[in-house]
Amino acid sequence: EAGVVQSPRYKIIEKKQPVAFWCNPISGHNTLYWYLQNLGQGPELLIRYENEEAVDDSQLPKDRFSAERLKGVDSTLKIQPAELGDSAVYLCASSGTFNTGELFFGEGSRLTVL
Amino acid sequence: EDKVVQSPLSLVVHEGDTVTLNCSYEVTNFRSLLWYKQEKKAPTFLFMLTSSGIEKKSGRLSSILDKKELFSILNITATQTGDSAIYLCAARGGSNYKLTFGKGTLLTVNP
Repeated sequence: EAGVVQSPRYKIIEKKQPVAFWCNPISGHNTLYWYLQNLGQGPELLIRYENEEAVDDSQLPKDRFSAERLKGVDSTLKIQPAELGDSAVYLCASSGTFNTGELFFGEGSRLTVL
Repeated sequence: EDKVVQSPLSLVVHEGDTVTLNCSYEVTNFRSLLWYKQEKKAPTFLFMLTSSGIEKKSGRLSSILDKKELFSILNITATQTGDSAIYLCAARGGSNYKLTFGKGTLLTVNP
């Protein structure tokens, strides 16, 4: 069974540029999460989807971050414009049940903003 | 605000030692506590605990939850260099069943 796939694995951009990350969850997983992980910190939730609906986006900085999950499968997380403080690892995860199940993580997209 | 605190934040041991990692939580409407291992890539699932006092075991790793005192421990016996990683604890709760992570414990096992 394929795991959660993310791309790109690494991205280096200059500040004020846009960037997008893509995630393909495990087949059949209705719940998809985007987490941000700074160095030395645990993952912090940005947004959670149940199918194509964003059910928790309270931690998403909506002035510059946006996300979508068209058709309830793949998801894209966008930052525009990027700031120096956005340098981090962006982790995507999926789970089969939203309220009790374990999360399966992708390998993450490491963003460096210069 | 939901909170998960892990201790110690880092730990260095020798192969063969036994280690205990701690996780305390303050989460409304607590549902479960999860442990993950993170090497230089994706966190991988270790355990999910929902009931107090019932130990979960997988090889040299074991974990237990105390819902009265609001903490969990992760034990690793006979440590190996391959156990070197960040161990993350997360508590699920709140109105949205949100998973709140701690900062992690960086374990280094020296040969």
